[in-house]
Amino acid sequence: QQQVKQSPQSLIVQKGGISIINCAYENTAFDYFPWYQQFPGKGPALLIAIRPDVSEKKEGRFTISFNKSAKQFSLHIMDSQPGDSATYFCAASRGANSKLTFGKGITLSVRP
Amino acid sequence: DVKVTQSSRYLVKRTGEKVFLECVQDMDHENMFWYRQDPGLGLRLIYFSYDVKMKEKGDIPEGYSVSREKKERFSLILESASTNQTSMYLCASSSTPRNYEQYFGPGTRLTVT
Repeated sequence: QQQVKQSPQSLIVQKGGISIINCAYENTAFDYFPWYQQFPGKGPALLIAIRPDVSEKKEGRFTISFNKSAKQFSLHIMDSQPGDSATYFCAASRGANSKLTFGKGITLSVRP
Repeated sequence: DVKVTQSSRYLVKRTGEKVFLECVQDMDHENMFWYRQDPGLGLRLIYFSYDVKMKEKGDIPEGYSVSREKKERFSLILESASTNQTSMYLCASSSTPRNYEQYFGPGTRLTVT
């Protein structure tokens, strides 16, 4: 049973456009929702994270939107750049001390 | 600059060999993790450790074991490597209570022939 599901499986966006990646979760006990970014040949790195007591969190061009009733959260990348081309993983955990459950990841390609 | 290092970037082993993957972190983190990454399957947790000499099974522990004798070092052991263990192996560490912020190493690409 996959507890965190990402969509779409891959995404191609033109430079300057908005990239939107969605995640749905099943376990209502999850209460931390981070996004990780992975470049080829590198390990994943934390990009941005949100807790369910807020509906949106913004850091620069990256925004997480959270919909608790729908059990969904999404990553928006504004003004997408070729340097944003990477694999993006959403994840979830129960409490700050718990292990992470990752989605399968999606590959984003930003065309010049 | 925080750092998680893994002993090898690429490794080729034969079926049946015992394989050791080493991970070292310099951040004094309590928690360490081993994942494998496969296309279409994402990151799957093999084992993790919240303290020295402690270990807990993740989602896919079969065929693997781990060792944590020192806080900074976490080893993944394949007792008898098989071809279905060909994968990218990633080590990560984190500090309580920000366990959702995990720092990953660059990975070891293991091929079992």
